[in-house]
Amino acid sequence: EVQLVESGGGLVQPGRSLKLSCAASGFTFSNYGMAWVCQAPTKGLEWVASISTGGGNTYYRDSVKGRFTISRDNAKNTLYLQMDSLRSEDTATYYCARHREWSYFDYWGQGVMVTVSS
Amino acid sequence: IQLTQSPSLLSASVGDRVTLSCKGSQNINNYLAWYQQKLGEAPKLLIYKTNSLQTGIPSRFSGSGSGTDYTLTISSLHSEDLATYYCYQYNNGLTFGSGTKLEIK
Repeated sequence: EVQLVESGGGLVQPGRSLKLSCAASGFTFSNYGMAWVCQAPTKGLEWVASISTGGGNTYYRDSVKGRFTISRDNAKNTLYLQMDSLRSEDTATYYCARHREWSYFDYWGQGVMVTVSS
Repeated sequence: IQLTQSPSLLSASVGDRVTLSCKGSQNINNYLAWYQQKLGEAPKLLIYKTNSLQTGIPSRFSGSGSGTDYTLTISSLHSEDLATYYCYQYNNGLTFGSGTKLEIK
């Protein structure tokens, strides 16, 4: 069974940093692209970032370019999102998702809440 | 590509046939998926590539469409289908629609 479990969320002040993790199990992690998708409170879904199987290619939505870094450790079956220079508008639930061949997201974690507020 | 979903809110009865619409600002070339999100839960993939049913999803869900216009149909509404439904395109960039909230009368 595919499982994705996020951690690392919480309350952080504007301008500070936070690092999210996503532990994957139930599939060969190194064979799949991965992604982060966010959802602001009572809002819709937004793709945030994606990473290729080996980690050599990364892609970001414009609003997080230069502030967020997606990475992975295939030996640990773990996906990361380093979030720097956080803004209030980054407040959201962040979902880790398996990204099929740079197309759709077929499995999602349960999500982790990030609140940016002073 | 921007996606416009309609209606934003739909109220229907158990047993009804329900149709949700998703329209793209450009040709999506059938690279469209549908997700179901129940309150407090993560999204779940229902349909990919316009009409391919994800493993484990009931056959009452189906997708259709082409070009800029796509549809998710629930052939006979069940009470557990109460959720918000999002379309998502991966033809040019990666974008989600704003969602259709489905209520049960």
